[in-house]
Amino acid sequence: GQQVMQIPQYQHVQEGEDFTTYCNSSTTLSNIQWYKQRPGGHPVFLIQLVKSGEVKKQKRLTFQFGEAKKNSSLHITATQTTDVGTYFCAQRGGATNKLIFGTGTLLAVQP
Amino acid sequence: DGGITQSPKYLFRKEGQNVTLSCEQNLNHDAMYWYRQDPGQGLRLIYYSQIVNDFQKGDIAEGYSVSREKKESFPLTVTSAQKNPTAFYLCASSIETGAHFNTEAFFGQGTRLTVV
Repeated sequence: GQQVMQIPQYQHVQEGEDFTTYCNSSTTLSNIQWYKQRPGGHPVFLIQLVKSGEVKKQKRLTFQFGEAKKNSSLHITATQTTDVGTYFCAQRGGATNKLIFGTGTLLAVQP
Repeated sequence: DGGITQSPKYLFRKEGQNVTLSCEQNLNHDAMYWYRQDPGQGLRLIYYSQIVNDFQKGDIAEGYSVSREKKESFPLTVTSAQKNPTAFYLCASSIETGAHFNTEAFFGQGTRLTVV
């Protein structure tokens, strides 16, 4: 099935360290969305990127869309235990513009 | 209070039985989605519907069926043909008409189905 690849699959960091997850597509994306799913919870929308090379910030989170619009990254500066969860990128694909999610990156933060 | 509601939160069924998961939204969203999530896995698309009385298969539709008779409702039936039905099922909705074609998805709380 069609999925967007994310790396790494899992990351364990000490509180205060930085964290980055990458989302890669073989095709050009019209836009990319990022979601966070807390353990036991449901995905919650974080942000959408549309323009080539776009960079957006939300406090300690920095989102970037690649120049070729084939990849994206989410960087968290100085992680906190509240950042724990799985981060997904998502793209709209196909003729029907259906929403397809990446494989996700599980972030564990040790206090 | 607007939102998307899935029920029940936990569901247990015996092998060989069909089971229907409920998903209701009062956000007036056009599109609704069903995803399956297995432990440590991503979200895989089962079915989606962008308009009433129409729906499309996702990547893993085998063993599942849906209906979209009303805009607010998109129930998912897990049939006995689904070989590994135990999973976390998430329903989502989004606006997908006119200028709002690339909007975010709102998720329900999910239903954790266990088949024994």
